[in-house]
Amino acid sequence: DTGVSQDPRHKITKRGQNVTFRCDPISEHNRLYWYRQTLGQGPEFLTYFQNEAQLEKSRLLSDRFSAERPKGSFSTLEIQRTEQGDSAMYLCASSYEPWTGGYEQYFGPGTRLTVT
Amino acid sequence: GQQVMQIPQYQHVQEGEDFTTYCNSSTTLSNIQWYKQRPGGHPVFLIQLVKSGEVKKQKRLTFQFGEAKKNSSLHITATQTTDVGTYFCAGNAGNNRKLIWGLGTSLGVNP
Repeated sequence: DTGVSQDPRHKITKRGQNVTFRCDPISEHNRLYWYRQTLGQGPEFLTYFQNEAQLEKSRLLSDRFSAERPKGSFSTLEIQRTEQGDSAMYLCASSYEPWTGGYEQYFGPGTRLTVT
Repeated sequence: GQQVMQIPQYQHVQEGEDFTTYCNSSTTLSNIQWYKQRPGGHPVFLIQLVKSGEVKKQKRLTFQFGEAKKNSSLHITATQTTDVGTYFCAGNAGNNRKLIWGLGTSLGVNP
């Protein structure tokens, strides 16, 4: 399967614990996006990378959230001191984009986080 | 801030009826993309429109991008149960690499 993969698919954690999610994009894609989606809502942008550089981070994202893409391939999203409001589906998407123009994003299956 | 509104939020149709969802942006977009998300699934890219007034067709789906590049529509002719899902529009504004997403239109089709 050469699509975007995410691990784990489901995560249940207790409030206050740290969690880390992994995303493996399509191999030739240079851009990687993280989104959060709750029921009945569209994807909410969290952050994105061009290769290994993190180019933008949502102002809505607290300091508890951090993302890395150390070698420009896979990425990790860490949430520290989880809160119940963090419960959501976390989606990763990748695309191949030159510096101008917009191109389709390919989404992974998501990681569903439940904070109890 | 930049916003993309979609209407309607929900629509249920009888199989065979037509369906249209509309997307309106508060700012001029450089492109508009449409995605479909099946229940329990993840968004899947359908199409991208770039030119003012552009119209593209995919079988029973017709996509339009407005002349002012601020609105778009998706029309499905003769809906089928396989069309069930939420349809999202998303666009880039200017040189901003971040997609601005609408809240989606959820389509239900009664067989």
